[in-house]
Amino acid sequence: AQSVTQLGSHVSVSEGALVLLRCNYSSSVPPYLFWYVQYPNQGLQLLLKYTTGATLVKGINGFEAEFKKSETSFHLTKPSAHMSDAAEYFCAVTSKAAGNKLTFGGGTRVLVKP
Amino acid sequence: GAGVSQSPSNKVTEKGKDVELRCDPISGHTALYWYRQSLGQGLEFLIYFQGNSAPDKSGLPSDRFSAERTGGSVSTLTIQRTQQEDSAVYLCASSLIGSDNEQFFGPGTRLTVL
Repeated sequence: AQSVTQLGSHVSVSEGALVLLRCNYSSSVPPYLFWYVQYPNQGLQLLLKYTTGATLVKGINGFEAEFKKSETSFHLTKPSAHMSDAAEYFCAVTSKAAGNKLTFGGGTRVLVKP
Repeated sequence: GAGVSQSPSNKVTEKGKDVELRCDPISGHTALYWYRQSLGQGLEFLIYFQGNSAPDKSGLPSDRFSAERTGGSVSTLTIQRTQQEDSAVYLCASSLIGSDNEQFFGPGTRLTVL
């Protein structure tokens, strides 16, 4: 079985400040990890993914995440928040054993203050 | 090219009626997924298609839910005898085969059962 926990359902940051969204996963086999962003009334858009290889992955819009196996974490960061980063962010996990089924965390809604 | 499209974008129905939700995947994507997004349950996997077959139906919540895919393309999710708890946003995604491949999401169908 696999699961994802996102710490904090809401995060408020000031424009220009660091964005840090936490994601911890549980998987009995090597995981594939994803971060998706959802803007209001839209579907999910992939920010970045980790499958194999380099544990620090860079995505779109200046986001990056680091896979830490020892901590079972895949936290998402962005050095400087922009107003356009206001959205909901979802961490997800799958694996070869899970087929292609994504298991999502509960989501973190980001508010950016001017 | 065109992304994943879903129709209708909004559907309001009365309790007990049947509804059909449609998904058009990205051309060439052999994998297709249905997810449900609701306030109480977050994002949940429903069913996965590889071509026209569904090797994983484990997320369908009851036998009132069914889905089919024809021609390796369009998929229809049918909910019979709708209940108020079926109210949610139903998201469709498609991808190339492989657990590490990005799933591209459609904008969703918002279903409201009165």
